[in-house]
Amino acid sequence: EVQLVESGGVVVQPGGSLRLSCAASGFTFDDYTMHWVRQAPGKGLEWVSLISWDGGSTNYADSVKGRFTISRDTSKISLYLQLNSLTTEDTALYYCAKEGVVGKGFFDYWGQGTLVTVSS
Amino acid sequence: QSALTQPASVSGSPGQSITISCTGTSSDVGSYDYVSWYQQHPGKAPKLMIYEVSNRPSGVSNRFSGSKSGNTASLTISGLQAEDEADYYCSSYTTSSTLVFGGGTKLTVL
Repeated sequence: EVQLVESGGVVVQPGGSLRLSCAASGFTFDDYTMHWVRQAPGKGLEWVSLISWDGGSTNYADSVKGRFTISRDTSKISLYLQLNSLTTEDTALYYCAKEGVVGKGFFDYWGQGTLVTVSS
Repeated sequence: QSALTQPASVSGSPGQSITISCTGTSSDVGSYDYVSWYQQHPGKAPKLMIYEVSNRPSGVSNRFSGSKSGNTASLTISGLQAEDEADYYCSSYTTSSTLVFGGGTKLTVL
């Protein structure tokens, strides 16, 4: 059974930083592109970032480019998102999602999300 | 990276059919057959309903179908049931190798 479990969400002040983690199980982690998607309270889904199966390629939404960094660790079977220079606009539930087929851009499994609140 | 355009809300009675549109541009929906649809119930994670325009994952009812014409994709739900009431989001791969979602559509089953 595929499982994605996010952690690391906290309340942080504007300008602060934190790292989100996503522990994966139930599939061959190394074979799949992984994504982060976020959802602000009461709002829609927003794609944030992706990392290729081998970590060699990454991409970001314009809204987070230069502030967020995605990475993965094969030995820990985990996905990460480093969030820097946070603003209140970054307050959201952050989901980790597995891409169903490499390069096809759809998410077949999602975690339950971890909540990031940016507030002073 | 502008969001895809979806109607904010649609509604239908049990047994009826509804269609949700998803309009993009030649840089996303119009460029690839990589449009997917997600269902989200309140407080739950999104669930994949359609991928690559018209494919249904195993376990998704055949009452859900997808199509695309030009820069607009569509999700049709036939034989509406109470449990279909949820938010629906489309998504597309883009020519910038990013992904983009629609703003979401709230489906109300009357």
